[in-house]
Amino acid sequence: SQTIHQWPATLVQPVGSPLSLECTVEGTSNPNLYWYRQAAGRGLQLLFYSVGIGQISSEVPQNLSASRPQDRQFILSSKKLLLSDSGFYLCAWRQPGQGFEQYFGPGTRLTVT
Amino acid sequence: AQSVTQPDIHITVSEGASLELRCNYSYGATPYLFWYVQSPGQGLQLLLKYFSGDTLVQGIKGFEAEFKRSQSSFNLRKPSVHWSDAAEYFCAERDTDKLIFGTGTRLQVFP
Repeated sequence: SQTIHQWPATLVQPVGSPLSLECTVEGTSNPNLYWYRQAAGRGLQLLFYSVGIGQISSEVPQNLSASRPQDRQFILSSKKLLLSDSGFYLCAWRQPGQGFEQYFGPGTRLTVT
Repeated sequence: AQSVTQPDIHITVSEGASLELRCNYSYGATPYLFWYVQSPGQGLQLLLKYFSGDTLVQGIKGFEAEFKRSQSSFNLRKPSVHWSDAAEYFCAERDTDKLIFGTGTRLQVFP
């Protein structure tokens, strides 16, 4: 069966510090991968998605970036965090050719102070 | 642009009462529709999905949803709510390789 991992689970970082959040999927190959953000009391905002290694689509201009160095690894990064980057970050995957539903990881709670 | 509307931000029901959460989608041709549930501090869990066929679809945890093309709706229902159903519920529609989510409905359950 497939599983998706995210780490860290929680993170407190000062403004201006760098960020690296990691997501990995097990038990599948060539998945589509997605990064979402939930700000407090708001819905899901799609940040990036990837259909293959090195292929990243950005949905919202911001100071975040994403990379996919391996087939089942998706990384969200920032060089300098802003207060507005605080939120709950969710990674998700989908298997192309097997429906359009996405499966979500447990999330990372980021607080920028 | 496609959009998904969940008109109710917050709903409160008593345990044992029936539940209906509303969802309206904007893209009418052949929608692919989903309902997800999110407990506090956790990721989203897929409750059910609709692609085609029977317009009444069954999901996990006793939930069902009915697709009504004439109303562009995909409402989620449960005949008897349990306290453990308290959570946030999201409706979503497929947009090529992505999902478009509604803003969510927070369900509160009173004993």
